[in-house]
Amino acid sequence: QKEVEQNSGPLSVPEGAIASLNCTYSDRGSQSFFWYRQYSGKSPELIMFIYSNGDKEDGRFTAQLNKASQYVSLLIRDSQPSDSATYLCAVTSGTYKYIFGTGTRLKVLA
Amino acid sequence: SQTIHQWPATLVQPVGSPLSLECTVEGTSNPNLYWYRQAAGRGLQLLFYSVGIGQISSEVPQNLSASRPQDRQFILSSKKLLLSDSGFYLCAWSGGTSGRSDTQYFGPGTRLTVL
Repeated sequence: QKEVEQNSGPLSVPEGAIASLNCTYSDRGSQSFFWYRQYSGKSPELIMFIYSNGDKEDGRFTAQLNKASQYVSLLIRDSQPSDSATYLCAVTSGTYKYIFGTGTRLKVLA
Repeated sequence: SQTIHQWPATLVQPVGSPLSLECTVEGTSNPNLYWYRQAAGRGLQLLFYSVGIGQISSEVPQNLSASRPQDRQFILSSKKLLLSDSGFYLCAWSGGTSGRSDTQYFGPGTRLTVL
């Protein structure tokens, strides 16, 4: 069964620190990788996507992909209390579908 | 820009009652549409997806069904709700004329409580 694994947390970091969120996946055929942020009681919001090995930066967010190790990560620099949320990792499975991890809860302490 | 709507936002239903949740997408044509359920403290479970009008793929056996009567309308239904149907129901879209087929965007969700 194809799986996406995330540490459920909570991951607690002080304000201004770097938060590092990790995700591993089992399907070597996965081509696209996504990070969603989900605030409590709200729907997931797409924050980053990455298709190629290496790093991709967007503002305070950096996604990192290593297909050989089947590993995706999300770094959040200068973490703010407003970053406190659950972060979901998703990978494509076939043409139309995703497999989601169960999410990592991040707490940024003021 | 594209917008996805879901209604109702919240719903409380008795066991055994019927269900109809609606999702519509604006600003794109021929999108792929998805229904997910998120149980409390759990991950997202894909229930159905559709790549065109009348084309529905079911991912898990259950007492739910889905229909796509129009290009940008996706409906989730049940004839008789079970307690286990409680959860946060999310509609998502991808592809179409305005996006990549592999990038999904979610609607605001419907929180269903079955009593």
